[in-house]
Amino acid sequence: DTGVSQDPRHKITKRGQNVTFRCDPISEHNRLYWYRQTLGQGPEFLTYFQNEAQLEKSRLLSDRFSAERPKGSFSTLEIQRTEQGDSAMYLCASSTWTGITEAFFGQGTRLTVV
Amino acid sequence: AQSVTQPDIHITVSEGASLELRCNYSYGATPYLFWYVQSPGQGLQLLLKYFSGDTLVQGIKGFEAEFKRSQSSFNLRKPSVHWSDAAEYFCAVVVYNQGGKLIFGQGTELSVKP
Repeated sequence: DTGVSQDPRHKITKRGQNVTFRCDPISEHNRLYWYRQTLGQGPEFLTYFQNEAQLEKSRLLSDRFSAERPKGSFSTLEIQRTEQGDSAMYLCASSTWTGITEAFFGQGTRLTVV
Repeated sequence: AQSVTQPDIHITVSEGASLELRCNYSYGATPYLFWYVQSPGQGLQLLLKYFSGDTLVQGIKGFEAEFKRSQSSFNLRKPSVHWSDAAEYFCAVVVYNQGGKLIFGQGTELSVKP
């Protein structure tokens, strides 16, 4: 068990460019979550998957954001036409779903839009 | 709507002193509560969790938390703080009927004086 892995750890991009982040959850976890954290704030829920199905999207997830989990394993989060307001830490978490269990977080991807 | 409030944005304590971080939640059903810790630029690490049973829960690194339903609180405590405890602490509640997503408080930044 290597934990939740996110790649890249840091990304600097110019405004208007597209970026994609990857998350590899703990292997036996069937739930995967994406959160966004801005400076001085707690993480905010963006979306989650159960296996390959995306079951909920927050209203924070504008049309420029898309997430996939094609085979129920790793997930990608893409942001199109990045804006400065997208600068944040993007956190991925995974959990099993046998009742209530805790979520395990990755190290996050720090996005800076210049 | 569910919410979590951490009234203290920043707390400074002396090394060796006791610590209490406050957390209040608003949730209509039985809450499932967590404390996470985040070091600068890192992901979140679970300190402890409350699902049911004994209202005093023990966690890692010598932390404990007490669930008080009458006060809608879940305060985190440590009898003697170490310099390595300096970090950001987040209280969270899991929304059981909404896919297990977490609602986080704003966080409390802990500084430790030598």
